[in-house]
Amino acid sequence: AQSVTQLDSQVPVFEEAPVELRCNYSSSVSVYLFWYVQYPNQGLQLLLKYLSGSTLVESINGFEAEFNKSQTSFHLRKPSVHISDTAEYFCAVRHGSSNTGKLIFGQGTTLQVKP
Amino acid sequence: DAGVTQSPTHLIKTRGQHVTLRCSPISGHKSVSWYQQVLGQGPQFIFQYYEKEERGRGNFPDRFSARQFPNYSSELNVNALLLGDSALYLCASGLRSSTDTQYFGPGTRLTVL
Repeated sequence: AQSVTQLDSQVPVFEEAPVELRCNYSSSVSVYLFWYVQYPNQGLQLLLKYLSGSTLVESINGFEAEFNKSQTSFHLRKPSVHISDTAEYFCAVRHGSSNTGKLIFGQGTTLQVKP
Repeated sequence: DAGVTQSPTHLIKTRGQHVTLRCSPISGHKSVSWYQQVLGQGPQFIFQYYEKEERGRGNFPDRFSARQFPNYSSELNVNALLLGDSALYLCASGLRSSTDTQYFGPGTRLTVL
């Protein structure tokens, strides 16, 4: 069965420090990979995605993630976090051969940015 | 442009009751998916509809059903509510059935007492 594992349930970090949120997936077929962010009492917002091409993808607010096929990973990084980055982050995978948009999500990682 | 909208925002029901949740996709999107997010967990796929037909179903009991209307809006129905159905129900829309990217609404918070 396909699965997504987010290795850290909570990541506390000080403001302006770098952060990495880890995500591993299990799949033997091609995949599309996504990171979504969820602020308190809100829905999910797409942060960035990997569909094909360059394995390094970036978001408009400074986050980046790298697709590593050999490690089956899609870790999310930011070189300097801000208080406003405090939120829940979800990694998700969709099979490239699927004829539906079904997303399989990880359990989520809570990023807590401290002043 | 308006994003995905869902109604109601919050809902409180008692065990055994029935509930209907509604979703309007982004204009031009023909695919609607439903997800259940239990507190402290990631969302789980319930259904996907495209062009008014069911295209995918997750591992949920038959108490859960859905439909899509000609204007591409959708309803999720849950019968015989259980305490465990308490969750945030998220709707996501996309351009196509096998759409690359889905856009999520704010969700409906269902509490079953």
